[in-house]
Amino acid sequence: DAMVIQNPRYQVTQFGKPVTLSCSQTLNHNVMYWYQQKSSQAPKLLFHYYDKDFNNEADTPDNFQSRRPNTSFCFLDIRSPGLGDAAMYLCATSKTGVAEAFFGQGTRLTVV
Amino acid sequence: AQSVTQLDSQVPVFEEAPVELRCNYSSSVSVYLFWYVQYPNQGLQLLLKYLSGSTLVKGINGFEAEFNKSQTSFHLRKPSVHISDTAEYFCAVSEGGYQKVTFGIGTKLQVIP
Repeated sequence: DAMVIQNPRYQVTQFGKPVTLSCSQTLNHNVMYWYQQKSSQAPKLLFHYYDKDFNNEADTPDNFQSRRPNTSFCFLDIRSPGLGDAAMYLCATSKTGVAEAFFGQGTRLTVV
Repeated sequence: AQSVTQLDSQVPVFEEAPVELRCNYSSSVSVYLFWYVQYPNQGLQLLLKYLSGSTLVKGINGFEAEFNKSQTSFHLRKPSVHISDTAEYFCAVSEGGYQKVTFGIGTKLQVIP
């Protein structure tokens, strides 16, 4: 089945140690998103790629970066994780002309 | 800018009883509206969507929602809930095309046996 896959499902990282979360999709969608969801809060958009064009939200900290080497893969890099970055990170995809977004299962990040 | 308000943070309901989860939105343009469900430690799954046409939208798992433009609402309903419906439900809006989706804060539905 076509889907959005996030790896790993659970990630523990040390305070200040760079970490990378990955997302892959078999839907051939041209738009990919990264959301941050803290406990009991709404998912918050960090940035998205429209094809190869990177679109950063104005309030996304510089600590968060992203790479999209090809259509299928997208990475979220946290350069120096702080305790406040502990959250569920959700990857989603969509396609121009299709309104809905398709989500992966998420990566739960713990910072120790 | 678009925004979504979910009026109830938690809704307890007995099994087989009906439920309504409320959602209001604001936007300066025409919108697409969605309801997503999230089970613990899982991603978001689309329940239903309103794009245009009939204001009553039917989704998966027996859920439905009604778009009311004059009241800027998109309330989610189910006539008879099941224990397996216990989850968090997010109302969301986008302003068309592929555009980014804005989520409400979520409503936790707790179905009581």
